Amino acid sequence: QITLKESGPTLVKPTQTLTLTCTFSGFSLSTSEVGVGWIRQPPGKALEWLALIYWDDDKRYSPSLKSRLTITKDTSKNQVVLTMTNMDPVDTATYYCTHTRSTVDYMDVWGKGTTVTVSS
Amino acid sequence: SYELTQPPSVSVSPGQTASITCSGDKLGNKNVCWYQQKPGQSPVLVIYEDSERPSGIPERFSGSNSGNTATLTISGTQAMDEADYYCQAWDSSTVLFGGGTKLTVL
Repeated sequence: QITLKESGPTLVKPTQTLTLTCTFSGFSLSTSEVGVGWIRQPPGKALEWLALIYWDDDKRYSPSLKSRLTITKDTSKNQVVLTMTNMDPVDTATYYCTHTRSTVDYMDVWGKGTTVTVSS
Repeated sequence: SYELTQPPSVSVSPGQTASITCSGDKLGNKNVCWYQQKPGQSPVLVIYEDSERPSGIPERFSGSNSGNTATLTISGTQAMDEADYYCQAWDSSTVLFGGGTKLTVL
């Protein structure tokens, strides 16, 4: 059974850097085709894709946020880390991590999400 | 940049058929999937590759994709189907979501 759990600060100040960790089980990021992604959702708004990392360290980023995002993996810990620089109140959202594969176009398992508020 | 457009809301009576559309340029040439999100919960995949249902998703959920429009159809809609629905596709190596449609069952 695949599970993913997001963790990180619930509150960050404007201009700070956000670091979120996705800890997963039921699969390995060293297995061919496997990927982990991040999606966010501001309160009452739509889903927004942020980034993806695959087993071979191939990384994809949202063009509109690429300059602020970094995604990395630690295969030994079964973790994926997303950092977002220069946080702003508009970045207040629930952040989800997801499981996917490079051979498909969908995300089949989602974590429960973690809520991040950006406020001074 | 590529965009996926959904109607903000759709209403349906219990037992009737609900159709939620997702529009984009030549969308029929892409694989489209759909997620259901109930209040306070994470999204759940209900349709992938235009029309395939993951295991555990009721048969009343179906999908199609042709031309510029993908459609999620819920036959015999039940009160439990009331939720937000999002379409998703890929374009230029990036993931795109539609703006979401709130399905009301009344």
